[in-house]
Amino acid sequence: SQTIHQWPATLVQPVGSPLSLECTVEGTSNPNLYWYRQAAGRGLQLLFYSVGIGQISSEVPQNLSASRPQDRQFILSSKKLLLSDSGFYLCAWGRTSGGSDTQYFGPGTRLTVL
Amino acid sequence: AQSVTQLDSHVSVSEGTPVLLRCNYSSSYSPSLFWYVQHPNKGLQLLLKYTSAATLVKGINGFEAEFKKSETSFHLTKPSAHMSDAAEYFCVVRGITGGGNKLTFGTGTQLKVEL
Repeated sequence: SQTIHQWPATLVQPVGSPLSLECTVEGTSNPNLYWYRQAAGRGLQLLFYSVGIGQISSEVPQNLSASRPQDRQFILSSKKLLLSDSGFYLCAWGRTSGGSDTQYFGPGTRLTVL
Repeated sequence: AQSVTQLDSHVSVSEGTPVLLRCNYSSSYSPSLFWYVQHPNKGLQLLLKYTSAATLVKGINGFEAEFKKSETSFHLTKPSAHMSDAAEYFCVVRGITGGGNKLTFGTGTQLKVEL
């Protein structure tokens, strides 16, 4: 079976500090990978998606970047955090073939920027 | 472009009574629609999915949803609420962007279940 991991689970960082959130998937190969942000009281916003190693598409302009150094690893980064980067960050994976379009979510990382 | 509207931000029911969470969608083609549930500080769990097969979709934990094209609706129901159903529920429509599958989320409905 497939599992998706995210760490850390919670993070408190000062404004202006760097960020690195990691997501890994097990039990599948060549998945589509996604980063979402959920701000307090709001729905989920797609930040980045990736259909393969080194292939990153950004959905919204922002202070964040993403990388996919390995097939099942997806990293969300920032050089300098802003207060507005606070939120709940969710990684998801989905299949690229077979017509299945379901996405499966990780447990999330709660980021607080002070 | 596709979108979903969740008509209620909060729903409160008594344990053992029916649950109805409303969702309307907008899509320029035959949509894929989903309901996800999120418990506090947890990731999202897929409840059920519609992909143009049967219009009545059964999901986990006794939930089901009916796709009604004429009403552009995909409401989530459960005959009898349980305390463990208290959570936030998201209606989601799928779009396609550059080879990836883009999900558009509603703003969520917070379900409260009271004794």
